[in-house]
Amino acid sequence: DADVTQTPRNRITKTGKRIMLECSQTKGHDRMYWYRQDPGLGLRLIYYSFDVKDINKGEISDGYSVSRQAQAKFSLSLESAIPNQTALYFCATGLNEKLFFGSGTQLSVL
Amino acid sequence: RKEVEQDPGPFNVPEGATVAFNCTYSNSASQSFFWYRQDCRKEPKLLMSVYSSGNEDGRFTAQLNRASQYISLLIRDSKLSDSATYLCVVHSGGYQKVTFGTGTKLQVIP
Repeated sequence: DADVTQTPRNRITKTGKRIMLECSQTKGHDRMYWYRQDPGLGLRLIYYSFDVKDINKGEISDGYSVSRQAQAKFSLSLESAIPNQTALYFCATGLNEKLFFGSGTQLSVL
Repeated sequence: RKEVEQDPGPFNVPEGATVAFNCTYSNSASQSFFWYRQDCRKEPKLLMSVYSSGNEDGRFTAQLNRASQYISLLIRDSKLSDSATYLCVVHSGGYQKVTFGTGTKLQVIP
């Protein structure tokens, strides 16, 4: 089983819909992150959390929210999806300076 | 100027060739450096850390040049399985200040 699991793997939705992407980990790491990746751009940080009570905005948090339900779970929500949120989304955990990624969620907003 | 810059490639090299990629960074206070490998539409995976003294892992050698603000990755005796995109990652303070390059694509040809 994967150490960092993301669900769903793929999602197609319509503009204006609320979407939740889920991430769970069995690595026991305190730090968790959400990134998005677009063609020609590097991974960009949306939100990060250093423990259950800690939530921080990344460089592109507008239009997104997160919830850290437990040490092992970190979910990302798009309150009202728009087409330019079409991207590949990655959850990651961190240990020291190393990042461990889930297998990604391809989200398409029509 | 981007914080982290990489030549996007693609670098098309024959099996057995030696290939090198560079990555430049703009923040002179950057503290630690990594190379990640990403296969098409898959998650990034840590390939190796980059130390000031240079480090080697099998066919892979990473080097850091702080004076010129670049890191490099050398792959010797390229294999077909080395075909991937190689991401340069720079930490510039705190576990949240992580900048990804856009990646260099390598295609090893039979």
